[in-house]
Amino acid sequence: GENVEQHPSTLSVQEGDSAVIKCTYSDSASNYFPWYKQELGKRPQLIIDIRSNVGEKKDQRIAVTLNKTAKHFSLHITETQPEDSAVYFCAASLNSGYSTLTFGKGTMLLVSP
Amino acid sequence: GAVVSQHPSWVICKSGTSVKIECRSLDFQATTMFWYRQFPKQSLMLMATSNEGSKATYEQGVEKDKFLINHASLTLSTLTVTSAHPEDSSFYICSARPPGSFSPNEQFFGPGTRLTVL
Repeated sequence: GENVEQHPSTLSVQEGDSAVIKCTYSDSASNYFPWYKQELGKRPQLIIDIRSNVGEKKDQRIAVTLNKTAKHFSLHITETQPEDSAVYFCAASLNSGYSTLTFGKGTMLLVSP
Repeated sequence: GAVVSQHPSWVICKSGTSVKIECRSLDFQATTMFWYRQFPKQSLMLMATSNEGSKATYEQGVEKDKFLINHASLTLSTLTVTSAHPEDSSFYICSARPPGSFSPNEQFFGPGTRLTVL
């Protein structure tokens, strides 16, 4: 089955800096890669996703890049703000209605004012 | 759109009792829902896939007789933790997949249920 590795487990940055979280996956058939943000005690919220026919996708301060050859994808957050502080999870799956998501272990991002 | 609710948000029960958790899709019909368990400071672990009108598909290592799943309608799936023990204490989160999504595997999560077994 699919295995997703995520690094780092914790990341501390100063407000205004950029943050990068990296994930690798094992199943070359995976072609859907969402990122979720989870605040303490709350539900995971989808913040951005990418499919394997796209190498990069951007939404305001958030971007995701995908290297399908190397089987890794990354989340980039620019101009970080304290409200970006949360746990971020990457996931991978087939982009079909019959597949499941495999999550990374999560990265706790702390943005200090 | 794509709102998923869960009830209750938290529950405390005695060891040996059973607890039912409901997951509802409020503004769409979901033929497939998912149940996850999340221990403190850990990732989401898929327990089972709930399919409307048919049996749930359980992940390896998850006891189907202990975690009963019923998906009786297109907007409701229930997870019953039978004979709960302290080690079952966890955050249980459901998700649902809205139909017609551009990404077929896009999932929207419920707010979670914090289960504490004494």
